Amino acid sequence: QMYLVESGGGVVQPGGSLRLSCAASGFSFNRYAMHWVRQAPDTGLEWVAVITYDGYNAFYADSVKGRFTISRDNSKTTLYLQMNNVRPEDTALYYCLRSEYFPYWYYDIWGRGTLVTVSS
Amino acid sequence: IVLTQSPGTLSLSPGERATLSCRASQSVTSNHLAWYQQKPGQAPRLLIYGASRRATDIPDRFSASGSGTDFTLTISGLEPEDFAVYYCQHYSNSVTFGPGTKVDVK
Repeated sequence: QMYLVESGGGVVQPGGSLRLSCAASGFSFNRYAMHWVRQAPDTGLEWVAVITYDGYNAFYADSVKGRFTISRDNSKTTLYLQMNNVRPEDTALYYCLRSEYFPYWYYDIWGRGTLVTVSS
Repeated sequence: IVLTQSPGTLSLSPGERATLSCRASQSVTSNHLAWYQQKPGQAPRLLIYGASRRATDIPDRFSASGSGTDFTLTISGLEPEDFAVYYCQHYSNSVTFGPGTKVDVK
C-alpha cells in the first residue's frame, strides 16, 4: 500500500513560520517528483510547489514564491515545506502529492492533508 | 492557462447521465488534462488523466473526452457514491485546477 502522511500544520500568526512534513511509504520515493497542493476552506485546489525526484530543481506558484521552500530527504522518504512570512490567505489544508516526471504532473495518491491556519 | 468548469452545480437523480464541462483559456498541450472527484471531508481522487485515460480501479461508467480547449467528463449512470465535486486539472509547464462542478441529488 502506498501512503503519504502530512504533518506539522497548526495555528500560526501572520508573519510567522511553519514547517510541514510528509512521510511517504510503499513506493520508490526517489523516483517521483513531489508537490504541495493546498485547498482553502470550502474552496478549490491550488498548486503550491514541486521538487524534482533528485531535489535539484524546485518551482513555485507566484503566490508563495520567495516565502515558501520545498525540500526533500530521499534517505528518509520525506518531503518538507518551509513556510515563512505567512499570510491569512495561506490558510488551507495542505496536501503532499507525487507525480511522474515533468510534464506528467497529475496526482494518483492523496493523503489526508495537514491544516494550516494563519490567524492572530 | 485558466480552466472554467460548467455548470457550477448539476442536480440529477441516481441513474441519470451526468455531463461535466471543462474549458481552457488556451489549447492544452498533448491533452495534459486530468479529472478528480472529491467527496465531503475527503481528499480528491484521480479519475482520469491524459484527457481520457481512466485511473486504476475507476469504474467504466466514468469516461472523458476532449482536446484543445474543450473537455468533458461523463458519468453514464449516477450511483449514490458519485454525488461529489469534480475538478479538472491542467498539467504542463504549470499546474492549474478548475473551480469545480458539484453534482448533487435532485
